[in-house]
Amino acid sequence: DIRMTQSPASLSASLGETVNIECLASEDIYSDLAWYQQKPGKSPQLLIYNANSLQNGVPSRFSGSGSGTQYSLKINSLQSEDVATYFCQQYNNYPFTFGSGTKLEIK
Amino acid sequence: EVQLVESGGGLVQPGRSLKLSCAASGFTFSNYYMAWVRQAPTKGLEWVAYISTGGGSTYYRDSVKGRFTISRDNAKSTLYLQMDSLRSEDTATYYCTTGADWFAYWGQGTLVTVSS
Repeated sequence: DIRMTQSPASLSASLGETVNIECLASEDIYSDLAWYQQKPGKSPQLLIYNANSLQNGVPSRFSGSGSGTQYSLKINSLQSEDVATYFCQQYNNYPFTFGSGTKLEIK
Repeated sequence: EVQLVESGGGLVQPGRSLKLSCAASGFTFSNYYMAWVRQAPTKGLEWVAYISTGGGSTYYRDSVKGRFTISRDNAKSTLYLQMDSLRSEDTATYYCTTGADWFAYWGQGTLVTVSS
């Protein structure tokens, strides 16, 4: 199975700041990577697919980048509604696997 | 508006069976690959199984292979997950999702608790 190592596990940032969340795959996943946001008590929501394509309706302050084994999610101008846990997911190989999550809080 | 509504979860003893359903609306269900993803309490996400549009192709994670069966009824726009020989480690919220790669739409989830 492809292992997805996500960092940091938790993150505290101030409103208006820019934050970065990293995801490292145990092998090349050829940009077959998605990012999800899960707010407390809610279902996950798709933010990014194909490493850098923004899902319809997702604010443009979210962006994704990366290739090979290294990927990142960037959130510009952090807002209070961005408090959530963020997960990466590879779909290059079965079984699809997720990162362990990054819990984002407001400082 | 896309809606996925799961049902069928509950408390079940180890070794017993449970069948989950997911009623879909707001999109052409028969055109979409579908999947089940689960999340153990306070844990991360785990892909469980997927099914092709016509149901002819399925795939499972190793830990559920031979115990779980994913199926669909396109006439009823409903996805199913038959879970047999349940184990304590199957305890999780089970989400119905759309897609063969990334998962664009998710249901609210149904909690399955396996305990004696």
